[in-house]
Amino acid sequence: GESVGLHLPTLSVQEGDNSIINCAYSNSASDYFIWYKQESGKGPQFIIDIRSNMDKRQGQRVTVLLNKTVKHLSLQIAATQPGDSAVYFCAENTGGSQGNLIFGKGTKLSVKP
Amino acid sequence: DTAVSQTPKYLVTQMGNDKSIKCEQNLGHDTMYWYKQDSKKFLKIMFSYNNKELIINETVPNRFSPKSPDKAHLNLHINSLELGDSAVYFCASSRAWQSTNEKLFFGSGTQLSVL
Repeated sequence: GESVGLHLPTLSVQEGDNSIINCAYSNSASDYFIWYKQESGKGPQFIIDIRSNMDKRQGQRVTVLLNKTVKHLSLQIAATQPGDSAVYFCAENTGGSQGNLIFGKGTKLSVKP
Repeated sequence: DTAVSQTPKYLVTQMGNDKSIKCEQNLGHDTMYWYKQDSKKFLKIMFSYNNKELIINETVPNRFSPKSPDKAHLNLHINSLELGDSAVYFCASSRAWQSTNEKLFFGSGTQLSVL
């Protein structure tokens, strides 16, 4: 069954503020995590990934934090822009030879000008 | 230039009809997938093919039949369409099988509406 979920289904932030999107996962064997962004009418687009041997990874304006102790993943977006408005998904790879990417429910981020 | 392309973008059809969705990737990837996204945006894997061989076949009615003529193409044929099949279907590809922690590249989706 589904093992990846999100704390907040919707998030509204002011342009220029930082955004934090959270994700909880339940499979302790998961060894790889990805954040995807899905804009309206488009397919999910890769943002950033992190392996289980790391607890933080930074990209351009985005940072992913992984806390394996509490099985928590977060995506931080710095200086949120209107173009960041989208649905964000976390996904976990359950590992093993039959490793499979399982997606969470998604959080809708709305950026107010 | 589109990496993963699927057609059609929209598909409106009557219950009981048979329809197909086509997908092609020009990334040289070995693995392709079909995902279904419901009205609540939940993404669930349906099928996965690695080098034209079926790897994952989730609990999907046998009315759904994927076909991979070569590793750049994965088509989805649906027989006897039902109202509950209405959803957005996404094709995706990855460089290799997911057990090696590969990211997925998605197409833009096919919105299927069954009336």
